[in-house]
Amino acid sequence: DAGVTQSPTHLIKTRGQQVTLRCSPKSGHDTVSWYQQALGQGPQFIFQYYEEEERQRGNFPDRFSGHQFPNYSSELNVNALLLGDSALYLCASSWDGVSYNEQFFGPGTRLTVL
Amino acid sequence: AQSVAQPEDQVNVAEGNPLTVKCTYSVSGNPYLFWYVQYPNRGLQFLLKYITGDNLVKGSYGFEAEFNKSQTSFHLKKPSALVSDSALYFCAVRDRGAGGSYIPTFGRGTSLIVHP
Repeated sequence: DAGVTQSPTHLIKTRGQQVTLRCSPKSGHDTVSWYQQALGQGPQFIFQYYEEEERQRGNFPDRFSGHQFPNYSSELNVNALLLGDSALYLCASSWDGVSYNEQFFGPGTRLTVL
Repeated sequence: AQSVAQPEDQVNVAEGNPLTVKCTYSVSGNPYLFWYVQYPNRGLQFLLKYITGDNLVKGSYGFEAEFNKSQTSFHLKKPSALVSDSALYFCAVRDRGAGGSYIPTFGRGTSLIVHP
């Protein structure tokens, strides 16, 4: 089992550009959540996808959008990048069948905005 | 609303000594509680969780945590620290009540440094 995988590992963009990050969940998992982790901070929840729909959203602007595909993989899109978007972006998967299930995290994508 | 606090940014301990990383929480109902560890440039790894039942929860790598409802705490402990335990530790809480969130709230993290 490969666990949660994310691509790319690192990404450098300039202000105003758009970026797409990708995530494949752990086998058997149907729910994907995205987090932003700034340096020295805990993960901040962006949104969660379940059954190909956004089920819950954190306090992030509409520049942040996502998608979940029928195979449960997911994308995070960020438009009009700002310097403050520089962070580690983490994808986490879980199985919705049990409400207290822990999340499994991928290694993250390090986004640098210049 | 749910929230979690990790009052210490950094904990220093000598190898072989016991360690404690503190966590307190706030939820409307009853909590699900989690501890994760993060090594440099890596994602978070699950250590242990409290769901219900025994207040002492045992997890990976010799870690354990004690749920204390009256003090709303869930401190992470290990009897004998290893240098390889040095990492960033995150506590997370999720309100299991009917109006609770699907999403856990994470603390800011505590950097554990184990000195040889």
